[in-house]
Amino acid sequence: GENVEQHPSTLSVQEGDSAVIKCTYSDSASNYFPWYKQELGKGPQLIIDIRSNVGEKKDQRIAVTLNKTAKHFSLHITETQPEDSAVYFCAARLGSARQLTFGSGTQLTVLP
Amino acid sequence: DTAVSQTPKYLVTQMGNDKSIKCEQNLGHDTMYWYKQDSKKFLKIMFSYNNKELIINETVPNRFSPKSPDKAHLNLHINSLELGDSAVYFCASSQDFGEAFFGQGTRLTVV
Repeated sequence: GENVEQHPSTLSVQEGDSAVIKCTYSDSASNYFPWYKQELGKGPQLIIDIRSNVGEKKDQRIAVTLNKTAKHFSLHITETQPEDSAVYFCAARLGSARQLTFGSGTQLTVLP
Repeated sequence: DTAVSQTPKYLVTQMGNDKSIKCEQNLGHDTMYWYKQDSKKFLKIMFSYNNKELIINETVPNRFSPKSPDKAHLNLHINSLELGDSAVYFCASSQDFGEAFFGQGTRLTVV
């Protein structure tokens, strides 16, 4: 099955700085890579996703890049704000499957 | 309107009891899931279910069973609860291979 590794496990940045979270996946058949944000006491919420036929996708302050050859993808958050503080999860999905395999999560803290 | 709703939000019960967690989605999705989040925040798939097949993660004990009365509901029934079952359980749904929407979670504490 698929295995997803995520780094770092914790990340602290000053407000206004950028934050980068990286993930690697094991199965080259994976073709969908979402990123979820989980706030305290809530369920994960999709913030951005990318499919394997695209190398980069951007949505305002959030961007995701995908390197299929190296089997890794990254989340980039620019101009961070205190409300960006949360746990972020990357995930991957095999083309033949519906369920997601999640990374271990990154606790992002944006310091005011 | 809540897209994926779970009840209860909190559940405290004694070892050995049987309990159920209910999940409903009003998105018209064809697939529903149960995920378990442990104390270290790891999210792992337990089941995925649509009207054609049930896929069970092989690591899930057979004390756990999903029950789907209809396309909009996927309940989780747990027999003979153990201390190690304490976790947050998330229901989710998706349409085909699209975005997965998660519920707010059910925090289960077994004492």
